[in-house]
Formats: sequence, structure tokens, C-alpha cells
Amino acid sequence: QSVLTQPPSASGTPGQRVTISCSGTISNLGNNFVYWYQHLPGTTPKLLIYKNNQRPSGVPDRFSGSKSGTSASLAISGLRAEDEADYYCASWDDTLKGSVLFGGGTKLTVL
Amino acid sequence: QVQLVQSGPEVRKPGASVRVSCKTFGYMFTNYYIHWLRQAPGHGLEWMALINPSDGGTTYGRNFQGRVTLSRETSTNTVYLDLNNLKSDDTAVYFCARGIFTVPNYDFWGQGALVTVSS
Repeated sequence: QSVLTQPPSASGTPGQRVTISCSGTISNLGNNFVYWYQHLPGTTPKLLIYKNNQRPSGVPDRFSGSKSGTSASLAISGLRAEDEADYYCASWDDTLKGSVLFGGGTKLTVL
Repeated sequence: QVQLVQSGPEVRKPGASVRVSCKTFGYMFTNYYIHWLRQAPGHGLEWMALINPSDGGTTYGRNFQGRVTLSRETSTNTVYLDLNNLKSDDTAVYFCARGIFTVPNYDFWGQGALVTVSS
């Protein structure tokens, strides 16, 4: 069971805007940055958002991230068929000696 | 260019151990942490552990304490993951990833190594 909670699924039609939520606690999202990954089957995960809302070069500005308190969200605007993938949030957790936590993942379907 | 190249697929019986390697190329080995993650069939990404190649310092995930050991070999720019007392639910693809310190900010990944645990 993941400590970072994501909805298992999300969907939208081409052109729509969808958001994926990630809920945590003080020891992870409350005190630390959130990171978002896109994972397509058979490939390695791709970093979409770092430090809550920063995009690595090459990631389209259709992808945006935000965080407030112990919750974060990833927004995808102008949805495209190629956005169909699994999306994961991740954060450092300060509990005990510390560790990295991943959310359970959200399967995005483009209808 | 930066590359992380992992060892090949492995098959083990329950109770056995496995070593997966991650050889790095194209950057200063001691400047970046290496994290290990895995994905079991039908499941999401799970973080396992990290190592600081500069001093060998490690942090292990709570689910893996006592079963996982990370080590590094600076002469070959390689990091090793040892997982012992394997169970069937350890069957997964194991990834190494280059990270900036301890946070999950990974810019390069290994190709993944399938470990199958079956009697």
C-alpha cells in the first residue's frame, strides 16, 4: 500500500484537460518536493515535473504541476492520444532515516 | 553520452539470492546518486534503495531492510544490488536510475533487468 495516494485511473477525450491528484502527509509532500513521472509500457519512466512545478527541457508546457500542503496535482491540457500512460508521483519522506515514496500510479486513458 | 547499462535477466528459486549490476558511462560516477526501483507484473513502481557512489553511503526502503544490500565499485563505475531470501513476489523488472542526491529526480535510467523467482 503506497503512502502517496493516487486515483487508480483517469480518463479524458482528446483536447480536454485532466488532472491527477497525489495525497500525502507532512513527512513527505508537506515537507518535500513532489516529482511526476510518465511511464509507457516497455519503456523507462520519464520525468515530467520536478520540484513541484518545474518542467525538464523537452517536456511540453501542456504538462504542469502544483502542490499545496500535503497534496499535489499533475494537469495535462490539450490531451493527446500519446498521453495514454501510467503516471506516478514521488517524494522524499522524512520518517525515520528517510526514504523515497512513489504513489500507486494512475492509468490515464484517452477515450 | 550518459548511459546506465544493467545486467541481464535472471531466474532464481525461492530462498536464493540475486545480484543485479548497473554500469554507468559518460559522467563523473561520484557526482550522482544511484537509486534502485522495481516494478512487479501488474503493479506500480516501488522504490528500494539508494547509494552515494562517492562514499558508499546507503539508504534502504523499509520493505527491503535486511534483504537488500547496495555496493559500488569505483574502478568500473558500477553499482550492485544484492537481494536475498527471494520470494515469488520479488519477480519484477529492476531499474537503476541516476538521481540528484536522495530525492526522486531521475534523469537517466538503466534498461531494466527482469528477475524471475520460481520453483
